[in-house]
Amino acid sequence: GAVVSQHPSRVICKSGTSVKIECRSLDFQATTMFWYRQFPKQSLMLMATSNEGSKATYEQGVEKDKFLINHASLTLSTLTVTSAHPEDSSFYICSARVDRAYGYTFGSGTRLTVV
Amino acid sequence: GENVEQHPSTLSVQEGDSAVIKCTYSDSASNYFPWYKQELGKRPQLIIDIRSNVGEKKDQRIAVTLNKTAKHFSLHITETQPEDSAVYFCAASKSQGGKSTFGDGTTLTVKP
Repeated sequence: GAVVSQHPSRVICKSGTSVKIECRSLDFQATTMFWYRQFPKQSLMLMATSNEGSKATYEQGVEKDKFLINHASLTLSTLTVTSAHPEDSSFYICSARVDRAYGYTFGSGTRLTVV
Repeated sequence: GENVEQHPSTLSVQEGDSAVIKCTYSDSASNYFPWYKQELGKRPQLIIDIRSNVGEKKDQRIAVTLNKTAKHFSLHITETQPEDSAVYFCAASKSQGGKSTFGDGTTLTVKP
């Protein structure tokens, strides 16, 4: 089945540094990738939608200069959390549409802790 | 935009009983309704989905029903087992946009 590989699974960084999270579609081409954020015991909140070869579309309230998204190829989308702060600590997870029949598959998620 | 409400937030049942989780959505243009199961610290896994041209879909112990007029859909799990314990999320999306709006989740606990 369709697999999205997400790395790293867990990262601890210092305040003020940047962290890059990668999502790769392994056996299909992901023209669209969705980036979510999930706080403990809460739902998945869509942050942005990335489309291969074009600028990402950010949801209201999400700072595009802080959460940089790049979708340079059909198999790779990246999310960079810039100048991270403790409040950015969360579970970040990507999701890609597998086919036109609406199927989606999720990456394994990245647990970010900013100290 | 779309708003998805999910109830209940927590649900505890005895093994073998049935569990029902309900969601309502606001945007009548939504036409795809997946359900995901998420175990602690893991990715959501699609367990069943339904499209707006279908009223009910069943897969072994899991079924989903959709009422387009009332804009609500439900997940039904029969003969629950302890391994069904997890957080379940409903979602709604449109065919063109593709992005999903998730419900707040239901923590299901199945007691042996």
